[in-house]
Amino acid sequence: DIVMTQSPDSLAVSLGERATINCKSSQSILYSSNNKNYLAWYQQKPGQPPKLLIYWASTRESGVPDRFSGSGSGTDFTLTISSLQAEDVAVYYCQHYYITPYTFGQGTRLEIK
Amino acid sequence: QVQLQQSGPGLVKPSQTLSLTCAISGDSVSSNIAAWNWIRQSPSRGLEWLGRTYYKSKWYNDYAESVKSRITINPDTSKNQFSLHLSSVTPEDTAVYYCVRDPGYSTTRWGQGTLVTVSS
Repeated sequence: DIVMTQSPDSLAVSLGERATINCKSSQSILYSSNNKNYLAWYQQKPGQPPKLLIYWASTRESGVPDRFSGSGSGTDFTLTISSLQAEDVAVYYCQHYYITPYTFGQGTRLEIK
Repeated sequence: QVQLQQSGPGLVKPSQTLSLTCAISGDSVSSNIAAWNWIRQSPSRGLEWLGRTYYKSKWYNDYAESVKSRITINPDTSKNQFSLHLSSVTPEDTAVYYCVRDPGYSTTRWGQGTLVTVSS
C-alpha cells in the first residue's frame, strides 16, 4: 500500500498569514502516460464529510477560494493557504487515488494563532 | 447534481453483520465512468478506504486487505443504490461510514456519513 505522511500534525497561524501543509507519498503517484499526479486535498470540519479542495495535485475544485493552492509532483506535495481566514479552521487531509487501496494522510489540524 | 443518501442502523452487536445502503440520485450505479466506494473514519484508524464496486461491461469489486475476508459491496440496479456488508464486527469497526463516488477525482461526491457503533 502507498503510505501518505502529512506534516505537521497541527499548525497555528495568524489571520491573514500563510499556512503550508506537506504531504509525502511512499512511492511516486505521478502516472507517466498522462503526466498527472493522483493526489487530492480535502478540508474537513466537525460533523461534516471531507470536502474536496484540490485534485490532480494542483487543480482547484470549482467554488474553492483562490487562496487555496496545491503544488508538487512525484512524492512530495504541498497545500498552501495564502491568507488564512477564520473559516479555514479545519482538519486537512491528502489522499492518493493512483491505485487501490486509496489511502489518506493522518490529517493536519489548522488553528488560528 | 449527484447526491448520495445513506441509510442503515447506528448500532450493531459484536459478531453480527453491519449493513449500510447508499441511494444515488443524479447518476447511475451502472455508469461505466464512475466507481462507488465505502470509506470509514475513526479516531484510531483515520480515514480508511474499504472497497468499491464499478461497472465496465461487467461488475467489478476491489476490497481493502484489512477487511477482505469480511466485506461485500453490492450494486442494486433496480433501486439505483449500493450496499456495504461487513461481517463479524468488533468494537474496532466502530466508525463513521461514508459512501463516496470517485474519491479524489473532480467528480467525487460523499454521503452524509453514518456513525456505526459496535456494542452489546
